[in-house]
Amino acid sequence: EDKVVQSPLSLVVHEGDTVTLNCSYEVTNFRSLLWYKQEKKAPTFLFMLTSSGIEKKSGRLSSILDKKELFSILNITATQTGDSAIYLCAVERSGGGADGLTFGKGTHLIIQP
Amino acid sequence: DAGVIQSPRHEVTEMGQEVTLRCKPISGHDYLFWYRQTMMRGLELLIYFNNNVPIDDSGMPEDRFSAKMPNASFSTLKIQPSEPRDSAVYFCASSWTANTGELFFGEGSRLTVL
Repeated sequence: EDKVVQSPLSLVVHEGDTVTLNCSYEVTNFRSLLWYKQEKKAPTFLFMLTSSGIEKKSGRLSSILDKKELFSILNITATQTGDSAIYLCAVERSGGGADGLTFGKGTHLIIQP
Repeated sequence: DAGVIQSPRHEVTEMGQEVTLRCKPISGHDYLFWYRQTMMRGLELLIYFNNNVPIDDSGMPEDRFSAKMPNASFSTLKIQPSEPRDSAVYFCASSWTANTGELFFGEGSRLTVL
């Protein structure tokens, strides 16, 4: 059974701090790892990672994948209160017939002003 | 495009009642997914469709749950009879293909079963 474990489960920091969120996984026939941000409503897509060592970056957010050690990190620099959300990590398997995504339970990030 | 549209946004019902959740995927998306989110278990895939055909329903908890997709623009998830442990947020998501990984989620239906 595919498994995605995120840590920490919750994190409270002050505005301006840098945070690192972790995601480890076990999946048969790994295809990609994805990060989503969930504020009060629907999860929204952040990054998709398929190759080890290649950093994906979007503004203050960046992410990298290590396929040997089976983990990914999501970094947020100079955090703002608007970054407060649940960050979800998900893995996708390859091979005929998709199974959708297997999600971790998320990291609940709270940015205090 | 308006995105994935779900209804109702909130539903409060009593144990034993039938619940029907509705979803309109993004036009042109061939895949539709139903997920359930709880604090304890996170986001869990219940079932997904490709071109209106159910492909994998192994995540459906039990026979009380059923899902249909009569056409490309509409899907329902039905719980009959509902139980308090079914209380959760139910998300519908769609994508062009299941292999891109990027899903577009609706805003969810929050179900409370008393």
